[in-house]
Parts: sequence; C-alpha cells; structure tokens
Amino acid sequence: DAKTTQPNSMESNEEEPVHLPCNHSTISGTDYIHWYRQLPSQGPEYVIHGLTSNVNNRMASLAIAEDRKSSTLILHRATLRDAAVYYCILRDVGGTSYGKLTFGQGTILTVHP
Amino acid sequence: GAGVSQSPRYKVAKRGQDVALRCDPISGHVSLFWYQQALGQGPEFLTYFQNEAQLDKSGLPSDRFFAERPEGSVSTLKIQRTQQEDSAVYLCASSFDRDSYNSPLHFGNGTRLTVT
Repeated sequence: DAKTTQPNSMESNEEEPVHLPCNHSTISGTDYIHWYRQLPSQGPEYVIHGLTSNVNNRMASLAIAEDRKSSTLILHRATLRDAAVYYCILRDVGGTSYGKLTFGQGTILTVHP
Repeated sequence: GAGVSQSPRYKVAKRGQDVALRCDPISGHVSLFWYQQALGQGPEFLTYFQNEAQLDKSGLPSDRFFAERPEGSVSTLKIQRTQQEDSAVYLCASSFDRDSYNSPLHFGNGTRLTVT
C-alpha cells in the first residue's frame, strides 16, 4: 500500500483555521485520498475524500496538489470538538484491496480555547 | 439512523480464555471490516467480508483469531486462548458498497479487550 507522511502533532486556537498536511509521494493513479479522524474513546469518523480536484463538504475542505503528491485538510474554524487524531489514507479500490483502509500514525490535533 | 453497534463495550478476560466480540453493521451494508487498535497506534486491518463471504483474512495475526458473518449481517470476531498481546480495541466498520471509492467506512466505537 502507498504510504502517507503526516506530522505527529499540531496545535491550534479555537475559531482559527487549521491546515493539516499530508505527503504521499508514491501515490498511484487508482489511489483516492481519504481523511478520517478519531476522537478520544471513539471509532474513526469519515471526514472527506478526493481524487484530483479540491473538495468541500460541511466538515472540511481538501486541497490536493496538482501532482497529487501532497494534500492538505483544512478546518475553517477549529472548535474544541475538533481535537482528535487525523488520519490521511490512500484508498486503493482496485484489485483485491477491497477498499480497505491502511491507517498510519496520524496527526494529533490539539485545540486551545 | 442507527450506526455500527459493537458489544460488549469492555471485556476483561483471563489469559487462556476464549472471547467473542459482536458487530451489528448498518442495515443493508454489504462490506464489513474488522480492525485491531493497540494503545497509541492507528487501527490495523484484520479481515474483510462482502456479505457472508470472507474475502480477505490476511490481517488476522494467528490461527487463534476467527471471524464469521453467516447471514451477511451481524459478525462475530472470536479469539481463542487469549494472550496478553491480544489486549487492544477491536473496531468494526461497514460500508454500503463493495469496492466503492465513494462509500466511506462507518466505524463502531469498538470493544476494549484486556487480557490479564
């Protein structure tokens, strides 16, 4: 599986934007970029995904580099509820991967009031 | 609607005991995944079902681990002769489509297994 690299941790203040980076230099053409987050004592939660174009939804925005070797998850106004571990995952839906997710260590986001 | 439900929420087992962990996926979801999450680590894939068929069990760490989904809905993960290294949170996830990039995984809150 193609690997991703994320900072171990980041900090933000409440109501400020947060940009969470992810490098995936070995991404293949069939890999979709997915983001999940995991709040304390909960299972992971889907945030957003994309292939080539930037994506927006009610939770966040995803900015994908033109060469697809990196991406950034953008939380427009962080709240205390956004404190979580954020995982950037390349999801291969081809072959016998069955669309399973391969998690790395993720980025621990701390939000200060 | 209801999400993915896992039971029990917590399980303490003595070393050598057998345990069974249950997952109720979202109704109508075709795909079901089991993951193991050690403390401070990201979840690791264990096995995958498409309806009742177990298509990928490459992540099961030993033959003490067994999973089933006999009617294509509820799934059970069984661990025989538990060892201390089996202590972890076991997560279940389901998704509507098979192999679909547009079908996100919905996770339960997991079962925390502690082997003493």
